[in-house]
Amino acid sequence: GNSVTQMEGPVTLSEEAFLTINCTYTATGYPSLFWYVQYPGEGLQLLLKATKADDKGSNKGFEATYRKETTSFHLEKGSVQVSDSAVYFCALSDYPSNTGKLIFGQGTTLQVKP
Amino acid sequence: DVKVTQSSRYLVKRTGEKVFLECVQDMDHENMFWYRQDPGLGLRLIYFSYDVKMKEKGDIPEGYSVSREKKERFSLILESASTNQTSMYLCASPPGVGGWNTEAFFGQGTRLTVV
Repeated sequence: GNSVTQMEGPVTLSEEAFLTINCTYTATGYPSLFWYVQYPGEGLQLLLKATKADDKGSNKGFEATYRKETTSFHLEKGSVQVSDSAVYFCALSDYPSNTGKLIFGQGTTLQVKP
Repeated sequence: DVKVTQSSRYLVKRTGEKVFLECVQDMDHENMFWYRQDPGLGLRLIYFSYDVKMKEKGDIPEGYSVSREKKERFSLILESASTNQTSMYLCASPPGVGGWNTEAFFGQGTRLTVV
């Protein structure tokens, strides 16, 4: 079945460092790919998405490109801030089949130190 | 600007109790989902619902049931709580058209501890 694998955390960076969180997936068909973020004490928020191969999603300085040839959707940010400290989840859905499921990776905790 | 509300942030229940977790959305969405979140396992789907009185099992439905009597409310029921159900529970509601490809909203989560 479909699955998502993220790099294990926690990831600890200094402020202004470059961030990469790896995400690879296994899926049949043409899934859409997402990054969700969970700040401490809160629910999940959509960070960015890509719905087809070679699409680049971007938001708040974060970017990820849908790479069908490597089945990857790595999250990057050029300069992290303390406020980026959170748990990041990579996810995929099987839209347009739309059986309704969103499948998540294990989550990667990011801690940014001043 | 509240969109998905879970009735409790923290709950402590005893083993064997029947537990109700409530989720309400104010966006008139057909779809509602219950996930549980555990460290190292990410989010796993328990149950979901496409419409009132409809329900579908997710990946880990054992020990749980759900109720959807009204469109805006989706309840998760632990029939007889056990310690291995100690977890964070998240409710989510994506819109029907396009599903998760458009904005999906999550509740703030309920952290349930079963003692």
